[in-house]
Amino acid sequence: TQLLEQSPQFLSIQEGENLTVYCNSSSVFSSLQWYRQEPGEGPVLLVTVVTGGEVKKLKRLTFQFGDARKDSSLHITAAQPGDTGLYLCAGNFFLSGSARQLTFGSGTQLTVLP
Amino acid sequence: GAVVSQHPSWVICKSGTSVKIECRSLDFQATTMFWYRQFPKQSLMLMATSNEGSKATYEQGVEKDKFLINHASLTLSTLTVTSAHPEDSSFYICSARTLSNTDTQYFGPGTRLTVL
Repeated sequence: TQLLEQSPQFLSIQEGENLTVYCNSSSVFSSLQWYRQEPGEGPVLLVTVVTGGEVKKLKRLTFQFGDARKDSSLHITAAQPGDTGLYLCAGNFFLSGSARQLTFGSGTQLTVLP
Repeated sequence: GAVVSQHPSWVICKSGTSVKIECRSLDFQATTMFWYRQFPKQSLMLMATSNEGSKATYEQGVEKDKFLINHASLTLSTLTVTSAHPEDSSFYICSARTLSNTDTQYFGPGTRLTVL
């Protein structure tokens, strides 16, 4: 079983502050995805990172993939109340042949207060 | 593109009844679909992998006779919760993987099951 540790589990900040969410594993990912989920809805894909050291930006969100492809981070600049939600990292691990299994981190519940 | 739908979005049933949840990939074909379960304020837990035309692969601890999965076409997978009990109440989410990109899963909107 592949384990994916995500931290922090809960985060409550004021509007305008910056924050970083971390996702770590002892295993190497073939790729890693970040999702955002709102209550009563399914997760929505934010980004996929594939290459070690890769950095992707999505407006105020910056995603980084570790050089060894075992960790990733999500940094939000100047958080807004609309950023509130459950952020999930999910790693694709190699199984036999071309099979992939997606393992989710425990999630980070972000609340941005106005 | 890559839209996945689920039906129903919510269902309330009596204990002992069976409930069927449908997962459809609307604009792409998916040889593999996944079923997850999510409890409040927790992450997604993979229940089973649904492969078109073959038997589903269940994760450890998931009863295959209780959670019946059928993947009859490249765009439809169904999950039937048999003889539901209150402890089966949860948020059930499916996802589908495209044929061309085996790393990306697209998620449905989820189905809220409440068993009385």
